[in-house]
Amino acid sequence: DIQMTQSPSSLSASVGDRVTITCRASQSISTYLNWFQQKPGKAPKLLIYAASNLQSGVPSRFSGSGSGTDFTLTISSLQPEDFATYYCQQSYNTPRTFGQGTKVEIK
Amino acid sequence: EVQLVESGGGLVKPGGSLRLSCAASGFTFSLFTMNWVRQAPGKGLEWVSSISSSSTYIYYADSVKGRFTISRDNAKNSLYLQLNSLRAEDTAVFYCAREVGSGNYSRADYWGQGTLVTVSS
Repeated sequence: DIQMTQSPSSLSASVGDRVTITCRASQSISTYLNWFQQKPGKAPKLLIYAASNLQSGVPSRFSGSGSGTDFTLTISSLQPEDFATYYCQQSYNTPRTFGQGTKVEIK
Repeated sequence: EVQLVESGGGLVKPGGSLRLSCAASGFTFSLFTMNWVRQAPGKGLEWVSSISSSSTYIYYADSVKGRFTISRDNAKNSLYLQLNSLRAEDTAVFYCAREVGSGNYSRADYWGQGTLVTVSS
């Protein structure tokens, strides 16, 4: 199975900050990488697919980049509604493994 | 509007069984691959199983293979997950999710609200 490792596991940031979350795959997955946001008690929400494509309706402050084994999710200017947990997931093969999550908290 | 509504969760004893359902509406269900994803309390997301539009391709996580069975009824716009030989570590919220995109560029774009399965004596 492909292992997905996110860093950091948690971070504290202020409104307006630029935030970067990293996801590393245990083998090359080309650009077969999705990013999700999850708020407490809610279902995950798709933000980015194919490493860098913004899902319809997602604010442009979210962006994704990377290929091969190293990927990043960037929030250019953190907003109050962005405090949540973020997960990467590879779609290269099954099982469709997720990273362990990165919790973004208010500083 | 796309809607996915899970049901069937509850409290079950170790070794017991449950059948989860996911009712789909707002899209042509028969054209889409569907997935089940679970989340143990306070933990991360775990992909469980997927089934292609005509049930030709079915996949499972190793952790549930041989115990869980995914199925669908396109005439009823419904997805199912039969859970057998349940263990305490199966306690989780189970989400159904629609998959879009082709091949490796597939992604889960719509999710249900989840149904909680608790395995405890």
